[in-house]
Amino acid sequence: QQQVRQSSQSLTVWEGETAILNCSYENSAFDYFPWYQQFPGEGPALLIAIRSVSDKKEDGRFTIFFNKREKNLSLHIKDSQPGDSATYFCAASRGGTGSNRLTFGKGTKFSLIP
Amino acid sequence: GGIITQTPKFLIGQEGQKLTLKCQQNFNHDTMYWYRQDSGKGLRLIYYSITENDLQKGDLSEGYDASREKKSSFSLTVTSAQKNEMAVFLCASSRDINSGNTLYFGEGSRLIVV
Repeated sequence: QQQVRQSSQSLTVWEGETAILNCSYENSAFDYFPWYQQFPGEGPALLIAIRSVSDKKEDGRFTIFFNKREKNLSLHIKDSQPGDSATYFCAASRGGTGSNRLTFGKGTKFSLIP
Repeated sequence: GGIITQTPKFLIGQEGQKLTLKCQQNFNHDTMYWYRQDSGKGLRLIYYSITENDLQKGDLSEGYDASREKKSSFSLTVTSAQKNEMAVFLCASSRDINSGNTLYFGEGSRLIVV
């Protein structure tokens, strides 16, 4: 059973549009949700994260919307630019000492229509 | 700041061969991880080490060994390389196990089995 699920393996939008990447999870104990961004030939890097006590987290053009009741979240990329083309991983972890290991989704490969 | 260095970047070996990947970090982090990345399958945890001389199995440890020689270095050995093991192997670190929800990744090592 997949604990963290990303609904799209790939997503393509026009430059300047808002892209929406969706993610859902199974474990109600998860309370921390980071998104990692990975460019080709590089390792993933933390982009933005949210805790389950919040329903929105914004950082520049990137916003996470979180719905605890539905157990899903989405990453919105506003005004998409060529430099945003990358693979985005949704991840989750639960609180508590020694139990902060991340569970990753399979990733969404995001690209722009030239 | 710090950096994670993985060597080699490409590792070519023959089927059945024992192959070793190395990872060094200068963050002075306690905890280190090895992940395997297959296209369309996300990141799967192979081994992690909470602190120097510690070793913990992840979800995909069969067929692999690991060694935490010192705080700054963590090695992964493929005990008998198989062609279905061709993937990118990512090393990561976190400040400690309680900070395991914030990972810093290396650029990855690609394993090619001929």
